Amino acid sequence: NAGVMQNPRHLVRRRGQEARLRCSPMKGHSHVYWYRQLPEEGLKFMVYLQKENIIDESGMPKERFSAEFPKEGPSILRIQQVVRGDSAAYFCASSRAGDIQYFGAGTRLSVL
Amino acid sequence: QKEVEQNSGPLSVPEGAIASLNCTYSDRGSQSFFWYRQYSGKSPELIMFIYSNGDKEDGRFTAQLNKASQYVSLLIRDSQPSDSATYLCAVNTYGNNRLAFGKGNQVVVIP
Repeated sequence: NAGVMQNPRHLVRRRGQEARLRCSPMKGHSHVYWYRQLPEEGLKFMVYLQKENIIDESGMPKERFSAEFPKEGPSILRIQQVVRGDSAAYFCASSRAGDIQYFGAGTRLSVL
Repeated sequence: QKEVEQNSGPLSVPEGAIASLNCTYSDRGSQSFFWYRQYSGKSPELIMFIYSNGDKEDGRFTAQLNKASQYVSLLIRDSQPSDSATYLCAVNTYGNNRLAFGKGNQVVVIP
């Protein structure tokens, strides 16, 4: 009974490159959420998706960040032209019916 | 005003004692309340959720909710060294599926 799967666990990018973070929800879950945790800060909501739909992207930065959850395959959080301030832990969570959220192991992004 | 506040600094408790953590929230429309445990460098792990006023017990953990005071707490009985972690309070407002998190409280259980 696999949990929320995120990959890669660690990602190193140089400034200006693109970062792609992947998340597969728990079996039977159709709601996916992305959160960011900056060093010494709390978890901040970024975006909430269901299959093929972005439900709430109120926490996403206006530029360079995008997310999708296609009909087939994992959810993708994409960061274009990364900057040092994007260095953080990015967590994906999933839920069955939009309530209790279970978290994946996270992707630690380091921007050089 | 922050959506979810956890103001206490690091909490040190002797092994076997009770650890008490508090959390306040600003949105009166909030419906669901969660406590997550996060070990250093790891992901948040759900340990308790509560929806109704009063107490909810699960093993050594008790969550307490008071919607009138906009207050939720977590008690850890018989604290063990393995309980040493950061505890995150999270709130989910009705009709809005995003979780708002507090900054967390670090608990250190001293053997």
